[in-house]
Amino acid sequence: DTGVSQNPRHKITKRGQNVTFRCDPISEHNRLYWYRQTLGQGPEFLTYFQNEAQLEKSRLLSDRFSAERPKGSFSTLEIQRTEQGDSAMYLCASSRGTANPNQPQHFGDGTRLSIL
Amino acid sequence: TQLLEQSPQFLSIQEGENLTVYCNSSSVFSSLQWYRQEPGEGPVLLVTVVTGGEVKKLKRLTFQFGDARKDSSLHITAAQPGDTGLYLCAGAVGQGAQKLVFGQGTRLTINP
Repeated sequence: DTGVSQNPRHKITKRGQNVTFRCDPISEHNRLYWYRQTLGQGPEFLTYFQNEAQLEKSRLLSDRFSAERPKGSFSTLEIQRTEQGDSAMYLCASSRGTANPNQPQHFGDGTRLSIL
Repeated sequence: TQLLEQSPQFLSIQEGENLTVYCNSSSVFSSLQWYRQEPGEGPVLLVTVVTGGEVKKLKRLTFQFGDARKDSSLHITAAQPGDTGLYLCAGAVGQGAQKLVFGQGTRLTINP
């Protein structure tokens, strides 16, 4: 069990640029989640995949944001035309998808995005 | 919209003291998870509670889920400097309990 891996750990970019983050979940986990955490707050849900299907998107996920999980393994989160307000820690989590709905989510160490 | 109110937001106590962190909501959750997060790292799962009234112990940490599955508490006995960190509660919501709603967190500092 190698844990959830996220890359890059830090990203600094100018306003208006596009950025892409990658998440590799725990290998036997078929559920994958993206959250955003701003300073002093708890994480907020962005979106969720069951295998390759994106099943829910938060209203926080504007049309500048897109997430994919093409083969049901790793996932990418892209932000287009970044804005100052996008500065945050972007966290990925994964869990088993079983009949038990209360499988715990395991988090990666996040990608910290700073918009100049 | 489900909200989790976590209190206190900040707590600074001396080594050896006991403390309790509370997590309250008007919503019912299918389960509740407690995490601990260090600066620059992701949340690390401590425990999941599922059944109303459930109590789980992890060494000096005791977690309780309210009877109505709307609230939870974390009690630490004889706190140690190594307990310092951000503690987050998160309730599972959605048809398949597929997303977590987090509290704001409690930043705990244990002074030697």
